Amino acid sequence: DTAVSQTPKYLVTQMGNDKSIKCEQNLGHDTMYWYKQDSKKFLKIMFSYNNKELIINETVPNRFSPKSPDKAHLNLHINSLELGDSAVYFCASSPDRAGEEKLFFGSGTQLSVL
Amino acid sequence: GESVGLHLPTLSVQEGDNSIINCAYSNSASDYFIWYKQESGKGPQFIIDIRSNMDKRQGQRVTVLLNKTVKHLSLQIAATQPGDSAVYFCAETGGTSYDKVIFGPGTSLSVIP
Repeated sequence: DTAVSQTPKYLVTQMGNDKSIKCEQNLGHDTMYWYKQDSKKFLKIMFSYNNKELIINETVPNRFSPKSPDKAHLNLHINSLELGDSAVYFCASSPDRAGEEKLFFGSGTQLSVL
Repeated sequence: GESVGLHLPTLSVQEGDNSIINCAYSNSASDYFIWYKQESGKGPQFIIDIRSNMDKRQGQRVTVLLNKTVKHLSLQIAATQPGDSAVYFCAETGGTSYDKVIFGPGTSLSVIP
């Protein structure tokens, strides 16, 4: 069973559209994240949720809205998509226990905005 | 500001040789350091970690060295194999889930058969 799964794997859409990416983890972790990876492979954190509460909110346009219906899910909704939003988006989770802060990543969603 | 950087963006090694991937960090308050491996089309995967109270940690074919004096981290891979070809990231954090994990820019390792 996949530990952190996100869908879809590929997303191709037109500028101005609204799209969502879903993420689920079956590891029982308390903390979930969204990361953005650009074309140069640079990974940058966008959001972090702990037990459905927003913990980290980096300087991300408010067109990006994360939603955590329960601690096993963290979805990402993007409004009014722009060309610069094209990237690979990774969901991740981690246990909320000292000494176990390593991240478990999903396989990514490649978003292409045309 | 905080930053984690790598000296070598690309590295090519002969199969069977040892690989060394280096990383510099600037936040002296960072307490926990992690190396991740990202294969093509996949998400980053944990390889090995080290806390700031240690200077060396060994895993299976991998060793991480931490030099806090010069804020330097390295990943050594012994007897590099074709399956080791990937992008490697170092990352630093304050040590809890409430701290941001800051990733370095990545080093692409290519293993020549």
